[in-house]
Amino acid sequence: DAKTTQPTSMDCAEGRAANLPCNHSTISGNEYVYWYRQIHSQGPQYIIHGLKNNETNEMASLIITEDRKSSTLILPHATLRDTAVYYCIVRNTGTASKLTFGTGTRLQVTL
Amino acid sequence: ETGVTQTPRHLVMGMTNKKSLKCEQHLGHNAMYWYKQSAKKPLELMFVYSLEERVENNSVPSRFSPECPNSSHLFLHLHTLQPEDSALYLCASSQDSGSTEAFFGQGTRLTVV
Repeated sequence: DAKTTQPTSMDCAEGRAANLPCNHSTISGNEYVYWYRQIHSQGPQYIIHGLKNNETNEMASLIITEDRKSSTLILPHATLRDTAVYYCIVRNTGTASKLTFGTGTRLQVTL
Repeated sequence: ETGVTQTPRHLVMGMTNKKSLKCEQHLGHNAMYWYKQSAKKPLELMFVYSLEERVENNSVPSRFSPECPNSSHLFLHLHTLQPEDSALYLCASSQDSGSTEAFFGQGTRLTVV
């Protein structure tokens, strides 16, 4: 699996967009980018995934650079309930459910 | 509510005790997983079951013994644990082992004394 690099922590004001970066410079052509988050003392929650094109769902948007070496998860209007650890994971879709979590980015949303 | 329920939510056990963690999913999924999350460490995949057969065991010590009696239930039997086994144990399920999304339970917070 390609290794990912994320900042250890970030802050965001409530109501503003939270932009969480992820570097995955060794990603291969058949590997997808997945994002999960883990709110304190709960299990991880799937957010979104993508291969090449930008993706959007009811939770977030995923922007993947053209060379696919990095991506950004965007929470358009962060709320206090979005405070969590966000994990960027790169995996080929055939074994996507056997997830390898790194240390993630701790996002703190503040008033 | 993810459709994956773990019991108990908290467990304290002595090193000589035998206990079991239970996971139940109501999603009709065919694959189930056990993960371990120790303090300040990333989640570690322990076991993978697909269609009730164990398909992966990530070098987990034998004091952890999984059981999958049917596709809806997964157990983790614990015996003679060590204090360093204290952690959050998470169960997850997915439609199958090749699915793109896994659903996690709330976890069992285990403390070994």
